[in-house]
Amino acid sequence: KNQVEQSPQSLIILEGKNCTLQCNYTVSPFSNLRWYKQDTGRGPVSLTIMTFSENTKSNGRYTATLDADTKQSSLHITASQLSDSASYICVVSAGSNYQLIWGAGTKLIIKP
Amino acid sequence: DAGITQSPRHKVTETGTPVTLRCHQTENHRYMYWYRQDPGHGLRLIHYSYGVKDTDKGEVSDGYSVSRSKTEDFLLTLESATSSQTSVYFCATRRGDTEAFFGQGTRLTVV
Repeated sequence: KNQVEQSPQSLIILEGKNCTLQCNYTVSPFSNLRWYKQDTGRGPVSLTIMTFSENTKSNGRYTATLDADTKQSSLHITASQLSDSASYICVVSAGSNYQLIWGAGTKLIIKP
Repeated sequence: DAGITQSPRHKVTETGTPVTLRCHQTENHRYMYWYRQDPGHGLRLIHYSYGVKDTDKGEVSDGYSVSRSKTEDFLLTLESATSSQTSVYFCATRRGDTEAFFGQGTRLTVV
């Protein structure tokens, strides 16, 4: 069964600190993996996309990594800001109709 | 929100009544999706469409039907609303194997 699992479920850190969110997937056939940010009460917004051949991709203070062999991805946030408080969702695209397999998300809270 | 409009944004309805949610896009994207989002769960796919009049079921399709009579509109219907369908519903669109763009969500409460 295609699955995406994220950890931790929730995380609280102080403003200015770094953090890393994890994503493990069992999805086949794999097309790409995206990280989305979802602010409370809003729809998710794409942060970064990783294809099979990519190991690392950055978007400002966000850096995503992908290990296609172990089927793991991580999202690293550096120098966190209060505006980073949100849910971060890992999504894998698969299949002929580009089916999207969604993780349950990690709820990140940044405290001043 | 990339030209995606959901209506209504909020709705309270009684158990047993029919409800229709509308998703309208101006992006001419081929793929459209309806998801529900509940606490402790990720986004769960209800139905999706890969073209006009081409739809398919997702993982939580029971109790829901959809229609897509033109590219820009994707309707989600709850034939007879139940309390278990209280949720936040999101519509999304994609051009192909690209980023999905989401609407602002519809908060539905069934009492």
